Amino acid sequence: SQKIEQNSEALNIQEGKTATLTCNYTNYSPAYLQWYRQDPGRGPVFLLLIRENEKEKRKERLKVTFDTTLKQSLFHITASQPADSATYLCALDGSNYQLIWGAGTKLIIKP
Amino acid sequence: DGGITQSPKYLFRKEGQNVTLSCEQNLNHDAMYWYRQDPGQGLRLIYYSQIVNDFQKGDIAEGYSVSREKKESFPLTVTSAQKNPTAFYLCASSYGLDRANEKLFFGSGTQLSVL
Repeated sequence: SQKIEQNSEALNIQEGKTATLTCNYTNYSPAYLQWYRQDPGRGPVFLLLIRENEKEKRKERLKVTFDTTLKQSLFHITASQPADSATYLCALDGSNYQLIWGAGTKLIIKP
Repeated sequence: DGGITQSPKYLFRKEGQNVTLSCEQNLNHDAMYWYRQDPGQGLRLIYYSQIVNDFQKGDIAEGYSVSREKKESFPLTVTSAQKNPTAFYLCASSYGLDRANEKLFFGSGTQLSVL
């Protein structure tokens, strides 16, 4: 069955450093992948979408890569700030136009 | 401001009781969705709707029901048949079902707990 994995352990990063989050998938060939940010008790907020024919996408301090050979997407936040602390979710297109979601990785940026 | 409004923020259900979660959007989106979020798990799709008066079951529809009488509204009823309803419920919308160039807009969620 299709499976998406994100690191379940919280990621602790020092302010100013680059945070890198991983999204791995198996038994699957998605046409695109999305990343969302979710704060406690709130709904997810869309950040970036990357398609299978795109190697990299950037938006301000955010960068996403998509390696269809490794079946992996990396999400980078450069010059991280405490305000970047949140849970980050990845989602891939599944059958019948539905998204398949990872469980998310909690990112903690320490001042 | 355009967006999706979910209410209530917190809801408690007694055994054998049906409860209804509200979801309203003023984004003029055609597609609407209900997801369930449990700790340590990815979002799971309960129901979705492409147009008014039409909706489809998602992966975990058992014990839930929906209606789509208006484009702006997509209420979710958690019935007594749902034996494990405690979860964070999220409503979302998009311009259409084809998400190749789409993103989902989410409400702020409803936390449902069992008394």
